Amino acid sequence: GIQVEQSPPDLILQEGANSTLRCNFSDSVNNLQWFHQNPWGQLINLFYIPSGTKQNGRLSATTVATERYSLLYISSSQTTDSGVYFCAVPHRGQGAQKLVFGQGTRLTINP
Amino acid sequence: EAQVTQNPRYLITVTGKKLTVTCSQNMNHEYMSWYRQDPGLGLRQIYYSMNVEVTDKGDVPEGYKVSRKEKRNFPLILESPSPNQTSLYFCASSLDPRAGGTGGTQYFGPGTRLLVL
Repeated sequence: GIQVEQSPPDLILQEGANSTLRCNFSDSVNNLQWFHQNPWGQLINLFYIPSGTKQNGRLSATTVATERYSLLYISSSQTTDSGVYFCAVPHRGQGAQKLVFGQGTRLTINP
Repeated sequence: EAQVTQNPRYLITVTGKKLTVTCSQNMNHEYMSWYRQDPGLGLRQIYYSMNVEVTDKGDVPEGYKVSRKEKRNFPLILESPSPNQTSLYFCASSLDPRAGGTGGTQYFGPGTRLLVL
């Protein structure tokens, strides 16, 4: 099945810094999602981005489908950005019945 | 507001006492799914349903049951919970997970933290 790898596994920054999170996937995909899991455990949809670039406030994401990677940019980080960021792609083969998640990047923003 | 709801959000129970975690979505989605999240193991799919009365096993179905009698509801049943089912559970839904458009976007519920003693 498809493999999803995220880097770095951990990232510690000061408030106000910018960051780039990377997601590599092993096969072509028709869908890719970024999630933020907050300290209370909730999974928040950030982006649906199978290709191209999208922006939402201080967050933006770019997926280069032909090279099988996606990047999540966070600018001017705030402490509320802390948490774990996951990318996920549909499982292929017998139909995309599930999402395959990367192991996540744990982001800690210190005041 | 479009959303996926789960109840209860937190549950402490004892081994062998049957329990049900409910999941409901108000987006008229065809597809619903249950995942569990464990440290070091990530999110793993338990069961999924492509439509009413159509369910299938995911990666870790042992010890769980599901039903899909109505499109909006997809309860997860633990007939005889054991401590290894202590986990964070998520319900998810989408219009069509095979779709390349926004119909493939999956929406997650807030999670249910289960502790089995």
